[in-house]
Amino acid sequence: GAGVSQTPSNKVTEKGKYVELRCDPISGHTALYWYRQSLGQGPEFLIYFQGTGAADDSGLPNDRFFAVRPEGSVSTLKIQRTERGDSAVYLCASSSTGGSPLHFGNGTRLTVT
Amino acid sequence: AQSVTQLDSQVPVFEEAPVELRCNYSSSVSVYLFWYVQYPNQGLQLLLKYLSGSTLVESINGFEAEFNKSQTSFHLRKPSVHISDTAEYFCAVFSSGNEKLTFGTGTRLTIIP
Repeated sequence: GAGVSQTPSNKVTEKGKYVELRCDPISGHTALYWYRQSLGQGPEFLIYFQGTGAADDSGLPNDRFFAVRPEGSVSTLKIQRTERGDSAVYLCASSSTGGSPLHFGNGTRLTVT
Repeated sequence: AQSVTQLDSQVPVFEEAPVELRCNYSSSVSVYLFWYVQYPNQGLQLLLKYLSGSTLVESINGFEAEFNKSQTSFHLRKPSVHISDTAEYFCAVFSSGNEKLTFGTGTRLTIIP
C-alpha cells in the first residue's frame, strides 16, 4: 500500500521567505508527527497531531513554525521568515495509535540561501 | 523526560565480522524501544521493535536487539555483517504518557570489504 508521502522532496528558498511543506500520511493513521533532521544528527521532534488537533507542539523551535492538519489527514508545516539555520530535512511520520511504530516519509530537504 | 544515547557515532567493521551498536535510554516510565535504519539516500525504515514480552527481538535481515531494563540498554547486534548493511542506525524510545518518539544521534555503520 501507499506509504507516507512528502512534497516537495527538495525546496530551495531565500532567507526571509515563507515555505510550506506537505505530508500525506498512511490512510487511516490518526497520529501524525513532524521531525527535523540536521546533518549528522538524529531526527528531532517538532509536533504531534492526534486527529485534527496538535497534541504536543513542544518541539517547535519558535513562533515562525506552525503546522496544521485541518481534516485529520494531510498536514502542512509552515515556516515564516526562513533563516539559514532552518536548513534541514523535514520528516513526516504517521502511526495508527500511540506506541505503534512510526512510518516515515522520505522527507523534504529544505535549503535556505 | 526521556532521552537516548548512542555512544558510537561511527563504527567500521570488516565484512562477515560481528557488530554491536550500543544504545542506552533514560525514562522514568515503561518504554517501547525501536531501531530504525537509514540507507544512503533513503528514508527511515523500522528495523525492529520491543513493545513487550520477550526481551530479545529480531529483524528479518539477521539483526537482533535485547532489552535490558536493569542496564537501560537496547543494543543492536549482528553476528556477520554484509556490505548491504552500510547505513545509519538510529535507536529510539517511546514512553507511555509521552506520545512522541525520541531518537539518538545515530551510528554510521561502514562495512569494509
